[in-house]
Amino acid sequence: GAVVSQHPSRVICKSGTSVKIECRSLDFQATTMFWYRQFPKQSLMLMATSNEGSKATYEQGVEKDKFLINHASLTLSTLTVTSAHPEDSSFYICSARDRRGYGYTFGSGTRLTVV
Amino acid sequence: QKEVEQNSGPLSVPEGAIASLNCTYSDRGSQSFFWYRQYSGKSPELIMFIYSNGDKEDGRFTAQLNKASQYVSLLIRDSQPSDSATYLCAVTWNNDMRFGAGTRLTVKP
Repeated sequence: GAVVSQHPSRVICKSGTSVKIECRSLDFQATTMFWYRQFPKQSLMLMATSNEGSKATYEQGVEKDKFLINHASLTLSTLTVTSAHPEDSSFYICSARDRRGYGYTFGSGTRLTVV
Repeated sequence: QKEVEQNSGPLSVPEGAIASLNCTYSDRGSQSFFWYRQYSGKSPELIMFIYSNGDKEDGRFTAQLNKASQYVSLLIRDSQPSDSATYLCAVTWNNDMRFGAGTRLTVKP
């Protein structure tokens, strides 16, 4: 089945630094990648949608300059949290849509803690 | 604003009972409907998806879709303690997938 590899699974960084999260589709080509954020006991909130080779579309209220998304190939998308602050601490999850249009596969998530 | 609504629960059922989870959505143009299960601290895992009106069964799980009422449900038969988790309803519009807040289910032995 379709697999999306997400790493790191857990990262602790200092306030003001940047963190990059990678999502890679291992056995399929992902035309679209979705990035979600989930705070404790809340649902997944869509942050942005990225299509290979084009700029990401951000949801209202999500700062595009703070959350940089790159989807340079059909198998790799990255989310960079720039100048991280403690309020950015959250669980970040990517999801990839198979190029053939069959379903959405989630990465295993990244627990970000900003201290 | 496209919305997906779920009763946050918690929903508690005894082992062996049927758990019924409900979800409504706001956009009639919604195309696909998914149920995910999420354990604490883990990524969601797909249980079922449904595209057409009616019922779809997979093992102990049955998804029901009623597009006229903009309603999708998930029934879990013979509930097990291992089914205790948060169940997320997800709906797609064109290329976007959006989630409900999730229903927390507890199956008591």
